[in-house]
Amino acid sequence: DVKVTQSSRYLVKRTGEKVFLECVQDMDHENMFWYRQDPGLGLRLIYFSYDVKMKEKGDIPEGYSVSREKKERFSLILESASTNQTSMYLCASRPRAGGSGANVLTFGAGSRLTVL
Amino acid sequence: DAKTTQPTSMDCAEGRAANLPCNHSTISGNEYVYWYRQIHSQGPQYIIHGLKNNETNEMASLIITEDRKSSTLILPHATLRDTAVYYCIVGSLEYGNKLVFGAGTILRVKS
Repeated sequence: DVKVTQSSRYLVKRTGEKVFLECVQDMDHENMFWYRQDPGLGLRLIYFSYDVKMKEKGDIPEGYSVSREKKERFSLILESASTNQTSMYLCASRPRAGGSGANVLTFGAGSRLTVL
Repeated sequence: DAKTTQPTSMDCAEGRAANLPCNHSTISGNEYVYWYRQIHSQGPQYIIHGLKNNETNEMASLIITEDRKSSTLILPHATLRDTAVYYCIVGSLEYGNKLVFGAGTILRVKS
């Protein structure tokens, strides 16, 4: 069964720590995404990547960076975690644009990050 | 901002059909309608999508009005496990197009 795997389901970090959230997909998808989800705000796009070593800012990139060294792996980095980054983080992937299924996102289970 | 409008919540009796409406009056000609759902503490799950024809798969049916300004997701025989937040989203296939998730509809299936 194809899937998107997020390395950590729950994390607790302290303010100022560097945080890595890892995401791996086994579907050979070109596009990968990081969202955060907060009550009342829905899913907001942080960064996305349409190919290895390529990245583009989403709607709320401030305070985050990403890395895509391999096609299957997309990492979200919080250089210096802050309490307002406490959230649920969701990784997703999809195939390259070109067919009607290109916007069919497959999501991971999510990583719930608490920053104290 | 989300391009769709959905009711905040709905209730449905177990075993009955659940009909979830969505308005997307500003949809463009090249935009598809997608439905996802999110069960508590999990990532969203794709359900179905369509352009202008009605669609059916093993999970649900999607009915799109002729003017494409609204659609309805139908779960033919709702079960307790269908209790979730349902998101209706529109998006094109153009490069860089992002799917914007609104607040969705909380569907509660009750026994």
